[in-house]
Amino acid sequence: NAGVTQTPKFRVLKTGQSMTLLCAQDMNHEYMYWYRQDPGMGLRLIHYSVGEGTTAKGEVPDGYNVSRLKKQNFLLGLESAAPSQTSVYFCASSYPQGILGYTFGSGTRLTVV
Amino acid sequence: GQNIDQPTEMTATEGAIVQINCTYQTSGFNGLFWYQQHAGEAPTFLSYNVLDGLEEKGRFSSFLSRSKGYSYLLLKELQMKDSASYLCAGVTTDSWGKFQFGAGTQVVVTP
Repeated sequence: NAGVTQTPKFRVLKTGQSMTLLCAQDMNHEYMYWYRQDPGMGLRLIHYSVGEGTTAKGEVPDGYNVSRLKKQNFLLGLESAAPSQTSVYFCASSYPQGILGYTFGSGTRLTVV
Repeated sequence: GQNIDQPTEMTATEGAIVQINCTYQTSGFNGLFWYQQHAGEAPTFLSYNVLDGLEEKGRFSSFLSRSKGYSYLLLKELQMKDSASYLCAGVTTDSWGKFQFGAGTQVVVTP
């Protein structure tokens, strides 16, 4: 079972470049999330989705966009990357209301120079 | 939001016991999770408490007091592989499954 798969695992961007992070889950979970993790700050929610075709803002949404065109996929886009977006990004999925907790992807380490 | 507070770092000796405390705001509280995260890896689920009391799973136990807004994770018979960050996460009734994570407690196990 693959669980939650994120691509790419590592990426270096120049300031102003754009990219899309891909997240795919095969557990038929309704809810999906994008978090960023920075030293000393814990995981912070960027955007989330409670079902196919729906998205909502989390705690730190500025500079990011998301789409959930298919239930199993949740895409995170950076339109114009900034050094402040250097971070480790985790995708997660869950049953509704987070019951039984999250399953996380392995993470994407992004550096913006 | 739901402020989650936990210590930054704890050090313990192999074979010993360590208790990681977590406090949270009780308003709308609907459950508390503990995750383990090794360096460079994704968090993995350890435990979930929604009712008062102690949940035991092998060497790991988690306790919750809803009235006090307090939880702890107890790690017994520490092994070197237990060196990791332990994340406390709370969920509220109106949070639509969005977890509020603490910054994590780095546990260092020494020989």
